Amino acid sequence: GAGVSQSPRYKVAKRGQDVALRCDPISGHVSLFWYQQALGQGPEFLTYFQNEAQLDKSGLPSDRFFAERPEGSVSTLKIQRTQQEDSAVYLCASSLWLAVNTGELFFGEGSRLTVL
Amino acid sequence: EDKVVQSPLSLVVHEGDTVTLNCSYEVTNFRSLLWYKQEKKAPTFLFMLTSSGIEKKSGRLSSILDKKELSSILNITATQTGDSAIYLCAVPRGSQGNLIFGKGTKLSVKP
Repeated sequence: GAGVSQSPRYKVAKRGQDVALRCDPISGHVSLFWYQQALGQGPEFLTYFQNEAQLDKSGLPSDRFFAERPEGSVSTLKIQRTQQEDSAVYLCASSLWLAVNTGELFFGEGSRLTVL
Repeated sequence: EDKVVQSPLSLVVHEGDTVTLNCSYEVTNFRSLLWYKQEKKAPTFLFMLTSSGIEKKSGRLSSILDKKELSSILNITATQTGDSAIYLCAVPRGSQGNLIFGKGTKLSVKP
């Protein structure tokens, strides 16, 4: 596709419900990042994939958060037993190679999760 | 701990004004500093700075890095209402370029 696509754009979940957020990166992009952006804050790193390998998951806030990218393209961020503090916009970003070399990450529009 | 601090957190100006946004950073093994503009949801890339004192310019926007002061500024001249957005500063951490973002500066340009 032309850009990074995320779905759903909006998700309302009841506390305790499981949710899955999808990211379809730009075709051919090797690196994929997930960020969490709370209201009034900058994006905070969650996890990073290089192709299908999850090389860094240090930002995942708890073991309720799980991400995968099984074929090195589409990625899914899963949140189990959602809590109110999980309410945020979840941004996915991709880059052609290592972002540190070019600096440019291409971001999707994000998935806004509201946990009631 | 690596961190990025932006100031001010919000700014209201009138069309035609010039604004300066600030970013300071503390990061191990600094390589670059990036500026993004966030309207609605998706941040879009503005500049990447790697060398001190060299200004990057794009239209009415310009940015410069000061490695000695561990800081950068983003200037916008002759502001327009379309410049209203959150401006994010970020530095990469780690070998893969995981970006650490500041909280952003919310710029509102009034007609």
